[in-house]
Amino acid sequence: AQTVTQSQPEMSVQEAETVTLSCTYDTSESDYYLFWYKQPPSRQMILVIRQEAYKQQNATENRFSVNFQKAAKSFSLKISDSQLGDAAMYFCAYRSHNAGNNRKLIWGLGTSLAVNP
Amino acid sequence: DAMVIQNPRYQVTQFGKPVTLSCSQTLNHNVMYWYQQKSSQAPKLLFHYYDKDFNNEADTPDNFQSRRPNTSFCFLDIRSPGLGDAAMYLCATSRVMRQPQHFGDGTRLSIL
Repeated sequence: AQTVTQSQPEMSVQEAETVTLSCTYDTSESDYYLFWYKQPPSRQMILVIRQEAYKQQNATENRFSVNFQKAAKSFSLKISDSQLGDAAMYFCAYRSHNAGNNRKLIWGLGTSLAVNP
Repeated sequence: DAMVIQNPRYQVTQFGKPVTLSCSQTLNHNVMYWYQQKSSQAPKLLFHYYDKDFNNEADTPDNFQSRRPNTSFCFLDIRSPGLGDAAMYLCATSRVMRQPQHFGDGTRLSIL
């Protein structure tokens, strides 16, 4: 069974600085998807970034980028020029590309990010 | 222009009194999901519909049921809520299973 591990329950960053959130996963599959979701306090869960395992190029979305190391099964999220609005719980998630019931998201426990002014 | 709408945002019910949470979507997505999220935890998938095909997670209590009368709406019914069912309930949709999920704002359920 696949697992997702986020080893940092809490992190903090100064406004305008860069922070990296770590995520590792365990799978025997070769084709899958990885996601970072952001959940601000009392607000909607939103997708930050997605990576397809067969793509070697790291995904980027504006100030958000990932460092995808397939061999190491690592998928870290880098937030550049941190803003106060980035404060949230960040969840790393995995989903199999295979057909069948394995297509549900496997979630990490989350990292709570605080942004200090 | 809300795309996944959950009503109500806050729901209070009494121990053992049935409650229904609703979710609607304007995305015309095929898949609708219900998650339970307790404080400081990751969401836990309860079940999902792919069109009319219902898929229940093995560890979802029998107390939880769902209905999807049409593409746009999906309901979560809790037949006899217990204190342990107090949580945030998230609805999400995706066009197909491999596409990213879009979440609603959630309904926070309290049990008296």
